[in-house]
Amino acid sequence: QSALTQPRSVSGSPGQSVTISCTGTSSDVGAYNYVSWYQQHPGKAPKLMICDVTKRPSGVPDRFFGSKSDNTASLTISGLQADDEADYYCCSYAGSFTWVFGGGTRLSVL
Amino acid sequence: QVQLVESGGGVVQPGRSLRLSCAASGFTFSRFGMHWVRQAPGKGLEWVAIISFDGGYKYYADSVKGRFTISRDNSKNTLYLQIHSLSAEDTAVYYCAKADSSSSFDYWGQGTLVTVSS
Repeated sequence: QSALTQPRSVSGSPGQSVTISCTGTSSDVGAYNYVSWYQQHPGKAPKLMICDVTKRPSGVPDRFFGSKSDNTASLTISGLQADDEADYYCCSYAGSFTWVFGGGTRLSVL
Repeated sequence: QVQLVESGGGVVQPGRSLRLSCAASGFTFSRFGMHWVRQAPGKGLEWVAIISFDGGYKYYADSVKGRFTISRDNSKNTLYLQIHSLSAEDTAVYYCAKADSSSSFDYWGQGTLVTVSS
């Protein structure tokens, strides 16, 4: 149950796009289409942004886009806004009713 | 609307035990699996445990297996996490989260802070 690998930080200017990667293994990210992404503002609870690799829950803007290739999942945020500044975590089902999170990525909107 | 409210955290001495609770409302609690996830201060999220909708199956992260027990009382719409032999490494905000149908966590509580210190 090793954590998924995410960049510690990414940044972008308002209106630009950024992509956050999430690298796992053939036992988690590569094995299942059960990757989800969470946004967490300081001092707040995480919020589900993407489930099942690409699906956006109701209320999540279509500026948030999820994808996956082999053992790496990605979250792309387009049209960056100030409120997008937060920590982002990926999570994958890892089999046998266990889950594994990424280490988190701090997004700064410059 | 879905609400999850954790309680039971606080400052606890090493080696002691603690039971956390999560009161659920706004959905049919007895139809959904539930998770516990924790976050050490300044660190990332760590999945802790899951319990099925009826309590029939329970699974744990290797890091907590044998010391943590997840349970639920569907008559009270409440989820629990019993923690034994607390150590400093257990210091964290503990979140309960509702399992959705697609293996993600669709609603989260605000968390309860457990601090293990002598």
